[in-house]
Amino acid sequence: AQSVTQLGSHVSVSEGALVLLRCNYSSSVPPYLFWYVQYPNQGLQLLLKYTSAATLVKGINGFEAEFKKSETSFHLTKPSAHMSDAAEYFCAVSDPKGYQKVTFGTGTKLQVIP
Amino acid sequence: GAGVSQSPSNKVTEKGKDVELRCDPISGHTALYWYRQSLGQGLEFLIYFQGNSAPDKSGLPSDRFSAERTGGSVSTLTIQRTQQEDSAVYLCASRLDKTQYFGPGTRLLVL
Repeated sequence: AQSVTQLGSHVSVSEGALVLLRCNYSSSVPPYLFWYVQYPNQGLQLLLKYTSAATLVKGINGFEAEFKKSETSFHLTKPSAHMSDAAEYFCAVSDPKGYQKVTFGTGTKLQVIP
Repeated sequence: GAGVSQSPSNKVTEKGKDVELRCDPISGHTALYWYRQSLGQGLEFLIYFQGNSAPDKSGLPSDRFSAERTGGSVSTLTIQRTQQEDSAVYLCASRLDKTQYFGPGTRLLVL
């Protein structure tokens, strides 16, 4: 069984400030982990993924995430928020074996304040 | 190249009517998923297709929901006798290797 918990359904940051979106996972096997972003009225777009290679993963738009096995976490960060980062972010976990059923978190809406 | 496409983009229907939602996956992707996203909720897994294997229907919420995938490509999600609680965004994704690629979704409103 696998699950994902995203802490904070809404996060507000000032433009230029650090973005930190939290994700903790539960998995009975070493997982694959993903962050997706969803802009209003659009589908989900992959930001970055961890698939058992480097634990610090860099993605698009300046985002990165670090896989910490000891903390079962995969938090998403960006050093400096832009107005265009306002969107909803989803963390997801999958089992590398079998058919890779993906379990998504409930999402975190990021608001960027000018 | 072309991404995952879904049609219609928006659908308004009356309670009790049947609806069909279409998904065109990325060419060559053998795996296809349907999810439902209700307001304020995460993504709820509905059904999964992989090649010629029997689909995993474990996420379908009731027998009013069904899906098929013809020729290993296009998929149709059918909701019979729609209810107001079926109102949601229905997202389709196709998968290559370890990554799912999502379509823009179909926004369904049941009046």
